[in-house]
Amino acid sequence: EPEVTQTPSHQVTQMGQEVILRCVPISNHLYFYWYRQILGQKVEFLVSFYNNEISEKSEIFDDQFSVERPDGSNFTLKIRSTKLEDSAMYFCASRDGGSSGRKLDEQFFGPGTRLTVL
Amino acid sequence: LAKTTQPISMDSYEGQEVNITCSHNNIATNDYITWYQQFPSQGPRFIIQGYKTKVTNEVASLFIPADRKSSTLSLPRVSLSDTAVYYCLVDSLNQAGTALIFGKGTTLSVSS
Repeated sequence: EPEVTQTPSHQVTQMGQEVILRCVPISNHLYFYWYRQILGQKVEFLVSFYNNEISEKSEIFDDQFSVERPDGSNFTLKIRSTKLEDSAMYFCASRDGGSSGRKLDEQFFGPGTRLTVL
Repeated sequence: LAKTTQPISMDSYEGQEVNITCSHNNIATNDYITWYQQFPSQGPRFIIQGYKTKVTNEVASLFIPADRKSSTLSLPRVSLSDTAVYYCLVDSLNQAGTALIFGKGTTLSVSS
């Protein structure tokens, strides 16, 4: 069964450093997402990406964040200057988006990257 | 997107049927009701989706009354491994790229 993969599984960084979280969405999916989940809290939407551009972003996704699809398979989230409050699980998700008819496609989530900012 | 309300937590025992009800009073015509499951330190996983009446798959059933203002996720004969957080969300057909907006979900604890 196809799955979304994410690397690394755990990233530890110093405050102020740049980090890049990597995701490989399911092949042929058209929509890509990043979410985060601070320990003990709910899953929060960060950004969605379609047709090589951001289609929607939340208030959390400020100028410190950026996303990129550098090639046909990877989807990355960059945090330019990490803060302590960026410590969280970051989930990548993808959705087919190509279904016809009235049924929606589910979003497939990756296993997450645990980011720890010291 | 319509806001959803569901119980914060539920407890059950192995072998019992668990029903988690979600209210979504402001659901729109183009909205689907979708349920996701999340285990600790894992990403959410799609369980089931429906528009109206009843939907059943190998994992669960979803009951949606005619007015669509609520829905009930039914898990038959739960086991310890069904202990997880269950999220009820509405998802719009017209906006395939729209993000899923998660609430706090229902934490289901299954005991032996």
